[in-house]
Amino acid sequence: GNSVTQMEGPVTLSEEAFLTINCTYTATGYPSLFWYVQYPGEGLQLLLKATKADDKGSNKGFEATYRKETTSFHLEKGSVQVSDSAVYFCALPLDTGRRALTFGSGTRLQVQP
Amino acid sequence: ETGVTQTPRHLVMGMTNKKSLKCEQHLGHNAMYWYKQSAKKPLELMFVYNFKEQTENNSVPSRFSPECPNSSHLFLHLHTLQPEDSALYLCASSQTAGPGELFFGEGSRLTVL
Repeated sequence: GNSVTQMEGPVTLSEEAFLTINCTYTATGYPSLFWYVQYPGEGLQLLLKATKADDKGSNKGFEATYRKETTSFHLEKGSVQVSDSAVYFCALPLDTGRRALTFGSGTRLQVQP
Repeated sequence: ETGVTQTPRHLVMGMTNKKSLKCEQHLGHNAMYWYKQSAKKPLELMFVYNFKEQTENNSVPSRFSPECPNSSHLFLHLHTLQPEDSALYLCASSQTAGPGELFFGEGSRLTVL
């Protein structure tokens, strides 16, 4: 089956700093890739997605590019805010033809004022 | 508001109790999922239902018993649980076609004493 590895946290940044959270995957074919975010006390929310190679997903200032050459889908934001403090999960389908997703272990981001 | 509602949000139960978690989705989806989120562990897929039929059981102990009476409702019946079953239980739903985005509820935080 498919799998995903993302960088360990926590990541602590000052407000307005640049953010990168690394995500690499192992997959059969070219599945859709996702970033989810979990704010304290809440469930997971889709942050962005990319459905094919070289696609760039973007939302709320976050971006990630589907790179098949490096099997990566790194999450970036140019200027983080305190409100971005959350846990971020990279995800992809468990396997070809399966809709359930497998998730990375999550990266906690803490942004300090 | 994600369109997926889980109740109760918090549940404390003894090891001999029987309780149920409920999930309802208002998105017109036909697939529903249970995930388990434990501290310091990746999200674990438990069950998948498509059009009310269970299509995946990820080797979940029989003390967890799912029920899907229709495409909008999903239950997780709990009995004789162990303290290590304490976790956040997340329900999700999705369409059965397309790029595979899952929509999550806010979760039910379960504590087993």
